[in-house]
Amino acid sequence: DAMVIQNPRYQVTQFGKPVTLSCSQTLNHNVMYWYQQKSSQAPKLLFHYYDKDFNNEADTPDNFQSRRPNTSFCFLDIRSPGLGDAAMYLCATSPRLAGGYEQYFGPGTRLTVT
Amino acid sequence: AQTVTQSQPEMSVQEAETVTLSCTYDTSESDYYLFWYKQPPSRQMILVIRQEAYKQQNATENRFSVNFQKAAKSFSLKISDSQLGDAAMYFCAYRISRGGTSYGKLTFGQGTILTVHP
Repeated sequence: DAMVIQNPRYQVTQFGKPVTLSCSQTLNHNVMYWYQQKSSQAPKLLFHYYDKDFNNEADTPDNFQSRRPNTSFCFLDIRSPGLGDAAMYLCATSPRLAGGYEQYFGPGTRLTVT
Repeated sequence: AQTVTQSQPEMSVQEAETVTLSCTYDTSESDYYLFWYKQPPSRQMILVIRQEAYKQQNATENRFSVNFQKAAKSFSLKISDSQLGDAAMYFCAYRISRGGTSYGKLTFGQGTILTVHP
């Protein structure tokens, strides 16, 4: 089945130790999004790619970076995780930016910072 | 800037009964889409239903229907014949149709936790 896959599902990292979260998709969608979701809150968009074009949200900390080496894969890098970065990180894809296209979400990676 | 408000942090319903989740939004745009997403515990978020703002007819998907009041900027979700599997966090979301700094982005409400009692 076509889907959005996130690895790992659970990640524990130490304060200040760089960490990378992975997202892959078999949907061949042009757009890939990264969201941060803290407990019982709405997802907060960090950035998105339209093909290779990167779009950063104005309030996304510099600590968060992303790479999209090809259509299928997108990575979220947290350069120096702080305790406040502990959250669920959701990857989503969409065929296009325009219109009412659905966003397809992955299961998320729960990040714990110790 | 667009905002989406869900005023009910939690709702509960008896199995087989009907429940309505509320959502209001604020926008100056005339062309946009509205969505309800469901996020079950420890499972991925999935689309429940979507509404195009230019369509007056309310969207329906099996047991799920919406009451879209464009002038009032209201977009409620009705779940009929509730099932245990409907228990989840429900998010209302808004997306502009084209152009602007919010292009392609979903603006979510705060979410409503729905509990279904057997």
